[in-house]
Amino acid sequence: QKEVEQNSGPLSVPEGAIASLNCTYSDRGSQSFFWYRQYSGKSPELIMFIYSNGDKEDGRFTAQLNKASQYVSLLIRDSQPSDSATYLCAVKGNTDKLIFGTGTRLQVFP
Amino acid sequence: EPEVTQTPSHQVTQMGQEVILRCVPISNHLYFYWYRQILGQKVEFLVSFYNNEISEKSEIFDDQFSVERPDGSNFTLKIRSTKLEDSAMYFCASARAGVNIQYFGAGTRLSVL
Repeated sequence: QKEVEQNSGPLSVPEGAIASLNCTYSDRGSQSFFWYRQYSGKSPELIMFIYSNGDKEDGRFTAQLNKASQYVSLLIRDSQPSDSATYLCAVKGNTDKLIFGTGTRLQVFP
Repeated sequence: EPEVTQTPSHQVTQMGQEVILRCVPISNHLYFYWYRQILGQKVEFLVSFYNNEISEKSEIFDDQFSVERPDGSNFTLKIRSTKLEDSAMYFCASARAGVNIQYFGAGTRLSVL
């Protein structure tokens, strides 16, 4: 069974801090990695994607991928209360389907 | 910005009834998906669809489920005889050729009574 694991949280950080969200996956053949943000009662919204080992930065967001250790992380710099949501890690193997983790709930307090 | 649209936003049905959930994918996308999310649980893959046929389906996608692209714009999910455990949010997603980035619609909340 191919699994994607995330700490459910909540992860609480003060406004302006760096939030660090982590994800591990079981399938070594996984090829693409995605972070989606999901507000309560809403649909997943794509934040970042990464295919290669290393870091990828987009504004306040940085995705990090380490295929040898089978983990992917998301850093959110200068966290804002509007970043409070559940962050879903999703992994794609050699087929099109996305396998999601349960998500980490992030709370940014003023 | 183009988006995936889903209708209805909320569907209430009696157990045993048939429901059809509708999706209009982003116009230049060729790959279509259905996922579901039971309240408090993870998003789960149901089915992927490309070139007018199912390319992959999960164990959840049994004979009660079917998908169709009846015309050039709509993509539907039919549940023939709904069960209580089918109550969930159903998300449609689409992706364009060559770039497997899936964009999700707002979802349809299905409540089976």
